[in-house]
Amino acid sequence: AQTVTQSQPEMSVQEAETVTLSCTYDTSESDYYLFWYKQPPSRQMILVIRQEAYKQQNATENRFSVNFQKAAKSFSLKISDSQLGDAAMYFCAYYTSNSGYALNFGKGTSLLVTP
Amino acid sequence: NAGVTQTPKFQVLKTGQSMTLQCAQDMNHNSMYWYRQDPGMGLRLIYYSASEGTTDKGEVPNGYNVSRLNKREFSLRLESAAPSQTSVYFCASSVGTGYYTFGSGTRLTVV
Repeated sequence: AQTVTQSQPEMSVQEAETVTLSCTYDTSESDYYLFWYKQPPSRQMILVIRQEAYKQQNATENRFSVNFQKAAKSFSLKISDSQLGDAAMYFCAYYTSNSGYALNFGKGTSLLVTP
Repeated sequence: NAGVTQTPKFQVLKTGQSMTLQCAQDMNHNSMYWYRQDPGMGLRLIYYSASEGTTDKGEVPNGYNVSRLNKREFSLRLESAAPSQTSVYFCASSVGTGYYTFGSGTRLTVV
């Protein structure tokens, strides 16, 4: 069963504005990695950002940053200065070493960017 | 180009037919995975192979079989296709350090 919850099936943001996508997960493991993937209409899976659970510092990649709250098992993605090219499905995922490093995905959030 | 190659990209099957989805990677990755993606469901793990010679079931293995032919290749077989197996199938590989490479997907329709 999926243990990654993305509570926002759809989100909308205006160009140049900031949007935050929510994700919660459930694992009893202490060693895991968290990810956000972007999937545009081309179906390609593109890594947006990656976070090691043992690191307290939130990961950032240019306009993308995360708010990692380990105790709350929350891993939200903030997109700043949104661009039309950011429109896509966004998937939150994690893996633990005891599952063959297989990614466990949420159901996704569809992000619409309006001019 | 280095990466994960899936074949075919599109396929239409009749109920009860069999087929094999092929996946090959040229990055010397140890681990390989098969996922299916259905609308509103995200990607769900069908089978994975943590290393050459091993395979394990994922979340939705029923109706599928896999073969890790060698380190490069990991195939997914549908022995008797059913309409419920209509989906987009993704193969992926990783070295186990948190970096994954995905194939471009196979859109399978079972009628």
